[in-house]
Amino acid sequence: DAKTTQPPSMDCAEGRAANLPCNHSTISGNEYVYWYRQIHSQGPQYIIHGLKNNETNEMASLIITEDRKSSTLILPHATLRDTAVYYCIVRAYNTNAGKSTFGDGTTLTVKP
Amino acid sequence: DTEVTQTPKHLVMGMTNKKSLKCEQHMGHRAMYWYKQKAKKPPELMFVYSYEKLSINESVPSRFSPECPNSSLLNLHLHALQPEDSALYLCASSLDTRNTIYFGEGSWLTVV
Repeated sequence: DAKTTQPPSMDCAEGRAANLPCNHSTISGNEYVYWYRQIHSQGPQYIIHGLKNNETNEMASLIITEDRKSSTLILPHATLRDTAVYYCIVRAYNTNAGKSTFGDGTTLTVKP
Repeated sequence: DTEVTQTPKHLVMGMTNKKSLKCEQHMGHRAMYWYKQKAKKPPELMFVYSYEKLSINESVPSRFSPECPNSSLLNLHLHALQPEDSALYLCASSLDTRNTIYFGEGSWLTVV
């Protein structure tokens, strides 16, 4: 699976959009981008995933660049409860999902 | 519903004790996983079960013994643990090993 690079930390004002970047410059054509988050002392929570098209669900939007070398997770109206570590993971669909490695992620702090 | 239930939430055990962590899901998922997470580190895969058979063991010491009694249940038997084994143990499941993984809230283990 391709390696991902994320900034170690970011701040966001409550009510504003949080844009979390992820670089995956070695991504292959069959590899998906997955996002999880982990709120302190809880298990990781699945947020969204995509292959090449932008995706949106009730939690977030995922924007993947045309060359697929990077992506951005957007939380449109961040709340204090969105403070968490956000993990970007890249993996091919036909590989064992458990073998995907979590990097160090981005610690997002939403401030009042 | 994407619920994976882990019990107990907290466990304190001595180095000579035998205990078990339990995990349950009723989503019809046929892949189940155990991860270990140390403080301020990302989750690390320990075991993968696929259709109730152990498919991946990430060279985990034998003092950790997984068991999958049926498609809904996953246990992690613990014996003769060391203090360095103290961590958050996460159970997860997915439809099969290719699909999105959903995590439980974890079991906090302290070895004294």
